[in-house]
Amino acid sequence: AQSVTQLDSHVSVSEGTPVLLRCNYSSSYSPSLFWYVQHPNKGLQLLLKYTSAATLVKGINGFEAEFKKSETSFHLTKPSAHMSDAAEYFCVVSGRISGGYQKVTFGTGTKLQVIP
Amino acid sequence: KAGVTQTPRYLIKTRGQQVTLSCSPISGHRSVSWYQQTPGQGLQFLFEYFSETQRNKGNFPGRFSGRQFSNSRSEMNVSTLELGDSALYLCASSLARGGEASKGEQFFGPGTRLTVL
Repeated sequence: AQSVTQLDSHVSVSEGTPVLLRCNYSSSYSPSLFWYVQHPNKGLQLLLKYTSAATLVKGINGFEAEFKKSETSFHLTKPSAHMSDAAEYFCVVSGRISGGYQKVTFGTGTKLQVIP
Repeated sequence: KAGVTQTPRYLIKTRGQQVTLSCSPISGHRSVSWYQQTPGQGLQFLFEYFSETQRNKGNFPGRFSGRQFSNSRSEMNVSTLELGDSALYLCASSLARGGEASKGEQFFGPGTRLTVL
């Protein structure tokens, strides 16, 4: 079975402080993991992805995530929040299922609020 | 390379009508997935098409259907619209199924905002 859990539906940080968005996953196979960001009334944009290479993944806009297999986690972090980071963030797991197809499962999303 | 395009961007329909949404994937992408996004239910998977065949289906009623053409463009149809079908419908494309190159990475279009009155 494959699932992804975003532990916080809302996170609020002050501008200039660190951001931590938590994600735990479950997958029968070695999964690929992604973080997407969605700004209001926009489509989803890929922030970063883990595909079995380096466990610390750097993405766009200063975000990074660390794949921890022992903890089945893929938390998203940023050292210093910017007002433009206010958006909804989705953690996604993708794993191979029968027939060679990829099954993609989205988390429920975390809304990040950045306080000036 | 052009991104995923969706038309129309906004649509207003009344209950009982039907609607067709269109998605053009990134050139070379053969897989197209559709998602429904609402404030209450979040992002929910509708179906995925690859090489004109539906490969995967979410838990939606039969009023929701789709198809994919030989050029990988996809359409989604919703018949007998209900108020609860008001949502942002997102289309995503990806490379060939299951391959190392794609590893499930999807590229999203801007969505079609459907309002049912």
